Amino acid sequence: AQTVTQSQPEMSVQEAETVTLSCTYDTSENNYYLFWYKQPPSRQMILVIRQEAYKQQNATENRFSVNFQKAAKSFSLKISDSQLGDTAMYFCAFMKGNNAGNMLTFGGGTRLMVKP
Amino acid sequence: NAGVTQTPKFQVLKTGQSMTLQCAQDMNHEYMSWYRQDPGMGLRLIHYSVGAGITDQGEVPNGYNVSRSTTEDFPLRLLSAAPSQTSVYFCASSYSFRGLYGYTFGSGTRLTVV
Repeated sequence: AQTVTQSQPEMSVQEAETVTLSCTYDTSENNYYLFWYKQPPSRQMILVIRQEAYKQQNATENRFSVNFQKAAKSFSLKISDSQLGDTAMYFCAFMKGNNAGNMLTFGGGTRLMVKP
Repeated sequence: NAGVTQTPKFQVLKTGQSMTLQCAQDMNHEYMSWYRQDPGMGLRLIHYSVGAGITDQGEVPNGYNVSRSTTEDFPLRLLSAAPSQTSVYFCASSYSFRGLYGYTFGSGTRLTVV
């Protein structure tokens, strides 16, 4: 079974600054995907970024980037130029490759507050 | 294009009552799943389905039943509600094809059992 751990229950950052959210995972699989989801107060689950384990290059989506360290089983999310709209819960998630059902395993979440 | 539609958005039940949370998708996705979200625990998988007529248990299935008679619908039934089932419930649909995939969540149902 896989486990996903987010060690920072809450974080805050000043607007326009950079913040990094941590995520570690445990798996014996070699083929897998990792994700960061954002959940604003509306409860909607929004995909922020994904990383395929076989890719060495770290994924980037505009102001969001990841630091994927496969050997260390670490998958942190960096948010650059933080904006007030980034205030939300952030969940790290794991999905085994070739997984019938596309089942996701989530971490406990990090609540991020962006301060003006 | 509605995506994944969950109803109701809010519900209050008394202990021992039963109810069904509805979930429908219009994207012809083969996979559907139910998660519950509790503070500090993220989302945990309750049940999932890999196609019409096929369902299986996830991490926390006790107290819940599911069925999938059509590709579009995947209702979640609470047989006898308990306060421990107070949570936010998310339905999701997804597909995978040659390493590509799509994952769509519904907007959630906040359930309170008193």
